[in-house]
Amino acid sequence: GEDVEQSLFLSVREGDSSVINCTYTDSSSTYLYWYKQEPGAGLQLLTYIFSNMDMKQDQRLTVLLNKKDKHLSLRIADTQTGDSAIYFCAVLRTGNTPLVFGKGTRLSVIA
Amino acid sequence: DAGVTQSPTHLIKTRGQQVTLRCSPKSGHDTVSWYQQALGQGPQFIFQYYEEEERQRGNFPDRFSGHQFPNYSSELNVNALLLGDSALYLCASSSLAGRKDTQYFGPGTRLTVL
Repeated sequence: GEDVEQSLFLSVREGDSSVINCTYTDSSSTYLYWYKQEPGAGLQLLTYIFSNMDMKQDQRLTVLLNKKDKHLSLRIADTQTGDSAIYFCAVLRTGNTPLVFGKGTRLSVIA
Repeated sequence: DAGVTQSPTHLIKTRGQQVTLRCSPKSGHDTVSWYQQALGQGPQFIFQYYEEEERQRGNFPDRFSGHQFPNYSSELNVNALLLGDSALYLCASSSLAGRKDTQYFGPGTRLTVL
């Protein structure tokens, strides 16, 4: 089945850019998502990209997709302490298939 | 516009008991998916309901069952609770009929089994 891998930890200084990486195995993945989870909370949809796109920018967030390498990244510009959270990469083939998640990357922002 | 809501927020049960968790989808959504998130892990798919039927199921035992009502809300039932069922249970909604595949999550129900 589908496998999604992420590095577990990332630490950055406030004001720097953060880059969180993700790899996946299913080339049929149609939608690729980034969700944010703060302590004790549910999942907040941050952004997503369709598989026919290479890049998507949304304010401080930039998503890059390399379909050949099955690699997805999320760049957060001007990282703030409020960005400290766990970030999950998730992939979806179609609406009636399961969303498959990575284990999450814990982002720590140092003031 | 209300987002996805779940109840209760927290629940404590003992081994062998049964539990029911509830979810109301986002307005305009007709599909509910349930996920289990163990501590330090990513969410794992349990099952998906659409048109009051279970459409997809993940690798979970029959102790996990569900239901979807005509108003699209859903319940997750877990029987004969085990210590390993302690987790955050997340509900997500989307719309298969409306071809809105992106899933939006509720705040979750934290289940502790003692």
